[in-house]
Amino acid sequence: KNEVEQSPQNLTAQEGEFITINCSYSVGISALHWLQQHPGGGIVSLFMLSSGKKKHGRLIATINIQEKHSSLHITASHPRDSAVYICAVRSDRGSTLGRLYFGRGTQLTVWP
Amino acid sequence: NAGVTQTPKFQVLKTGQSMTLQCAQDMNHEYMSWYRQDPGMGLRLIHYSVGAGITDQGEVPNGYNVSRSTTEDFPLRLLSAAPSQTSVYFCASSRLGGVRHFGNGTRLTVT
Repeated sequence: KNEVEQSPQNLTAQEGEFITINCSYSVGISALHWLQQHPGGGIVSLFMLSSGKKKHGRLIATINIQEKHSSLHITASHPRDSAVYICAVRSDRGSTLGRLYFGRGTQLTVWP
Repeated sequence: NAGVTQTPKFQVLKTGQSMTLQCAQDMNHEYMSWYRQDPGMGLRLIHYSVGAGITDQGEVPNGYNVSRSTTEDFPLRLLSAAPSQTSVYFCASSRLGGVRHFGNGTRLTVT
């Protein structure tokens, strides 16, 4: 069983649409990360959050600790947003303190 | 700052060969880690280190060895390559509890 589940697995959108990617987790965490992986493979950190909401440009990340759920929103999507988006949680358990557990990723394709 | 530098970008090995994947960071980060990424699976932790001289195993450590003699470098050694080790490998670093910075990855094929 994966500690981190993402949905959807694949997402296709038209340019300008509002995008939501969901992440649920089953372990205690100290933080949640949203990562972006472009074709060609490099991974970039978009957000690290432990409560509430963060915004960077057209990207918004929210987390609900009680429900163990996070969402990544992209407003006014653009073809350059096409990438794999990965949710990862940092464990707060003693034996695995600080370790990241990763979701399988959401492949987003935005068409012009 | 170069960030996290991984070499090589691509490597092909024959079964049984050994090699070292290099990882260096210039941000004075305490935490460094190695992951492998396989199709249909999330990134999985191989080994990690919380400082020079300290290493520990992750989820999938078998067949891999690491050392951390300096803060900057965290090489990953494949002792005797197997086809099951065909994967994309990522090194990452961070301050303890901080944002992870990832290298660009090494695509390894074992024939």
